[in-house]
Amino acid sequence: DTGVSQDPRHKITKRGQNVTFRCDPISEHNRLYWYRQTLGQGPEFLTYFQNEAQLEKSRLLSDRFSAERPKGSFSTLEIQRTEQGDSAMYLCASSRTVSSYNSPLHFGNGTRLTVT
Amino acid sequence: QKEVEQNSGPLSVPEGAIASLNCTYSDRGSQSFFWYRQYSGKSPELIMFIYSNGDKEDGRFTAQLNKASQYVSLLIRDSQPSDSATYLCAVSFQGGSEKLVFGKGMKLTVNP
Repeated sequence: DTGVSQDPRHKITKRGQNVTFRCDPISEHNRLYWYRQTLGQGPEFLTYFQNEAQLEKSRLLSDRFSAERPKGSFSTLEIQRTEQGDSAMYLCASSRTVSSYNSPLHFGNGTRLTVT
Repeated sequence: QKEVEQNSGPLSVPEGAIASLNCTYSDRGSQSFFWYRQYSGKSPELIMFIYSNGDKEDGRFTAQLNKASQYVSLLIRDSQPSDSATYLCAVSFQGGSEKLVFGKGMKLTVNP
């Protein structure tokens, strides 16, 4: 079990630039989630995939944000035209649907984004 | 709006004491309840999950669920300085872990 892997760990970008983050879930996990966490807050749900299908998107996910999970494996989260308010830790998590009650989320180490 | 509330803390306890962390949730139909520990600058780490009313014990940790009161708690016995972290309560409002909703977290400090 290699855990959930996220890349990069840190990203500093200038306002208006586009950024893309990658997440590799635990290999047998078919669900993949993106969350965002700011200082002093709990993680906020952004979106999730079951296999390659994006099943839900939060209203937090503006049209500048897009997520993909081609082939149901790794996922990417892209933010276009970044704003200072996008500065946060972006967390990826995965889980395996064994039954509807036995799928705790396992988080990656996160990508910390700083928009200057 | 489905909400999860935690006392913001911080909570400070001496080493060896019992730390009690509490959480309430807004949706009576909630199914699954989780406690995560988050060290500063790190990602959340799953500690416990509970689905049924009552207590669930794992080592020094006990999760307690009372669905009638919409209340879930985490007890840490024999607290250690290494338990110092932020503890996040998370609730799934559907059957499974789609869209976990997290509380803001409670910062616990265990003093040697």
